[in-house]
Amino acid sequence: KAGVTQTPRYLIKTRGQQVTLSCSPISGHRSVSWYQQTPGQGLQFLFEYFSETQRNKGNFPGRFSGRQFSNSRSEMNVSTLELGDSALYLCASSLELAGVHEQYFGPGTRLTVT
Amino acid sequence: EDQVTQSPEALRLQEGESSSLNCSYTVSGLRGLFWYRQDPGKGPEFLFTLYSAGEEKEKERLKATLTKKESFLHITAPKPEDSATYLCAVQRPSYAGNMLTFGGGTRLMVKP
Repeated sequence: KAGVTQTPRYLIKTRGQQVTLSCSPISGHRSVSWYQQTPGQGLQFLFEYFSETQRNKGNFPGRFSGRQFSNSRSEMNVSTLELGDSALYLCASSLELAGVHEQYFGPGTRLTVT
Repeated sequence: EDQVTQSPEALRLQEGESSSLNCSYTVSGLRGLFWYRQDPGKGPEFLFTLYSAGEEKEKERLKATLTKKESFLHITAPKPEDSATYLCAVQRPSYAGNMLTFGGGTRLMVKP
């Protein structure tokens, strides 16, 4: 069974630009969550989508947004990039079955803002 | 606010030298506590889920335990390939969605 895939794996953007990252969950998984990982703050929750609806949101500015499609694939968008947005962005999917709550992570997208 | 604290931040072991990693947590209702392993430049790899105090789970040289305030990841006779960052995370009851709150991780280095 294929794991969570994320594209692109690496991105370099300039301050002020916007970026869109993509995530394909494990087949059959309907919940997709996004996390930001930095050396200083560690892993922080961005938002979660389930059945195309945002179910939960972390403490990030409105420049960070996301969406989920009917096939459970998800995208996240960051507008007006700042230097501090440089990070590893991780996507995780979950089966959402009673008693099963594990989240499986993709390899991440390394975003560098210059 | 949920809080997860892992200690130590870094741990150096000789091959075969057993030890334990600690994860202390405060959360408003615990649905599950998760352990992950992360290698440099990769996403976290799922290891264990623990749901209630007293529960234990094992996988090869790793054993995870849970109390009402903390969890331990015991590593028995580690090998160099066990070198990685180990992350602990907590999850609230289902009405709060699937959000995970992570600790800062323990960076484990096992020398041959």
